[in-house]
Amino acid sequence: DAGVTQSPTHLIKTRGQQVTLRCSPISGHKSVSWYQQVLGQGPQFIFQYYEKEERGRGNFPDRFSARQFPNYSSELNVNALLLGDSALYLCASRIRDGAEAFFGQGTRLTVV
Amino acid sequence: GQQVMQIPQYQHVQEGEDFTTYCNSSTTLSNIQWYKQRPGGHPVFLIQLVKSGEVKKQKRLTFQFGEAKKNSSLHITATQTTDVGTYFCAGQEYGNKLVFGAGTILRVKS
Repeated sequence: DAGVTQSPTHLIKTRGQQVTLRCSPISGHKSVSWYQQVLGQGPQFIFQYYEKEERGRGNFPDRFSARQFPNYSSELNVNALLLGDSALYLCASRIRDGAEAFFGQGTRLTVV
Repeated sequence: GQQVMQIPQYQHVQEGEDFTTYCNSSTTLSNIQWYKQRPGGHPVFLIQLVKSGEVKKQKRLTFQFGEAKKNSSLHITATQTTDVGTYFCAGQEYGNKLVFGAGTILRVKS
């Protein structure tokens, strides 16, 4: 079985632009969460979706949005990019609430 | 909001020495999870602790969950070069949000 897959793996954007990151969870997993990991820090929770509904939102500005599709894949959108948005964006899927999280390889976003 | 503190930030040990990282939450947790991230990699799940005072072992790794369900530790006996990486604890309150600590970077000298 494939693990959590994310695309693209690397991305370079200019300040002010918009970006869309994609995630496909492990087959059978209905919960998808997004995290931002800045170099040298732990992953910071952005969003969690379960069965296409938002279940949680971290302390991130409204420039960050996400959605989950009927096939449980998910997209994270970030508008009006800032230099400080440069980070590794991780997607994690879980089979149920409270279970262990399986992370994808992440998308390395660089904003210049 | 919920905060998870982890110490030490960094530890450099000689191969064969023991290693311990500690995790403290500002709130009572429903469970705590531990992850390992190798340089350039993504977090990989190690274990989940749910019960107050729980102790679990995985070969040379011992995980503990405090009686108050607010603190936890990971102890590695006789470290090996393959143990190199960053170890994160992640606490979950009675909801879905998983809050990660800042991690402890482990370096092992051979």
